[in-house]
Amino acid sequence: SQQGEEDPQALSIQEGENATMNCSYKTSINNLQWYRQNSGRGLVHLILIRSNEREKHSGRLRVTLDTSKKSSSLLITASRAADTASYFCATEPQGSSNTGKLIFGQGTTLQVKP
Amino acid sequence: SAVISQKPSRDICQRGTSLTIQCQVDSQVTMMFWYRQQPGQSLTLIATANQGSEATYESGFVIDKFPISRPNLTFSTLTVSNMSPEDSSIYLCSVWVADMEQYFGPGTRLTVT
Repeated sequence: SQQGEEDPQALSIQEGENATMNCSYKTSINNLQWYRQNSGRGLVHLILIRSNEREKHSGRLRVTLDTSKKSSSLLITASRAADTASYFCATEPQGSSNTGKLIFGQGTTLQVKP
Repeated sequence: SAVISQKPSRDICQRGTSLTIQCQVDSQVTMMFWYRQQPGQSLTLIATANQGSEATYESGFVIDKFPISRPNLTFSTLTVSNMSPEDSSIYLCSVWVADMEQYFGPGTRLTVT
């Protein structure tokens, strides 16, 4: 079953603008990971945030996690055309005892116009 | 991180046949997984590939349809058996590396006609 709901489902912005994607989930988690997928290819790991962390940065990416609201956001600053892709959040449920099983959200399709 | 390769990258198969997908990792990993991504959809976990024992399947997936092998800590195969058009999907393997991060292969795009 799908754990995560992402919004918006689709986002179109101009190059240079910031893009924000949100992910909500249903159960307690060990961690949450964000991935990028270009044109139905493999997933690229972007960032992992643990349940005891609130914010994490990696280059132009900023991820926040609010466990009380069971939600996370991914911010891409100064977007580029190459950021055009689908973005997925994935959670590892807390009861999974480090099995590594991930439950994916439905994804946000981002289009960055040059 | 880990470098993961999959073979084939894509295939077009006829209904009723079977296809075996290979996943190779450049380092030894404990946990390997197989996911399916149906057209326009998100990823769904098929099974955990266990080294030296039978795979652990998620609800809705059975061994007869998706037999999995894991002969060592760097390699696994997934077979899609007796295929139907509903099996047309991208199949991805992933590995769980240190620090809980999970990395994915490039995927195998399967079309069943």
